[in-house]
Amino acid sequence: DAKTTQPTSMDCAEGRAANLPCNHSTISGNEYVYWYRQIHSQGPQYIIHGLKNNETNEMASLIITEDRKSSTLILPHATLRDTAVYYCIVRVPRETSGSRLTFGEGTQLTVNP
Amino acid sequence: GAGVSQSPRYKVAKRGQDVALRCDPISGHVSLFWYQQALGQGPEFLTYFQNEAQLDKSGLPSDRFFAERPEGSVSTLKIQRTQQEDSAVYLCASRDDRGRPYFGPGTRLTVT
Repeated sequence: DAKTTQPTSMDCAEGRAANLPCNHSTISGNEYVYWYRQIHSQGPQYIIHGLKNNETNEMASLIITEDRKSSTLILPHATLRDTAVYYCIVRVPRETSGSRLTFGEGTQLTVNP
Repeated sequence: GAGVSQSPRYKVAKRGQDVALRCDPISGHVSLFWYQQALGQGPEFLTYFQNEAQLDKSGLPSDRFFAERPEGSVSTLKIQRTQQEDSAVYLCASRDDRGRPYFGPGTRLTVT
């Protein structure tokens, strides 16, 4: 799986958009970008994933650059409950890659009142 | 429906003791994973089951670590002769048929 680089920490004001960047310059053509988050004392939670098109669901939006070397997770209206560590993972879907997720250290997002 | 549950949520063991950590996956999920998460780090893969078959145990750090899933549902991670470096949160995840894993809350193991 390709390596990812994320900032160690970020702050965001409540109600504002949180934009979390991820660099994955060695991504290969069949690798997807996945985002998970981990709220304190809980297990990681799936947020969203994409291949090359921008994606949106009820939790977040994922913007992937045209060259696919970086992406941004957007939480449009951050709340205090969005405070968590956010992990960007690049991998081939399970059918051809085995099974594991390779987590880095992620970005600690703190949403401030 | 219920998510992945793990027990106990917290375990304190004296160095040298054996521990057993339980994972109840989401009903019907064929795939089950164990991860280890040290303080301040991301989770690291330990082992993977498909039904009762352990298909990948390459992440187990030593032969003191053993995992089983005899009936293809509940899984147990056993650590023999615990050492201080085994202190971590142990996460279990089961995966749906779309390939998306669902994690349990973890068991925090402290070895004193």
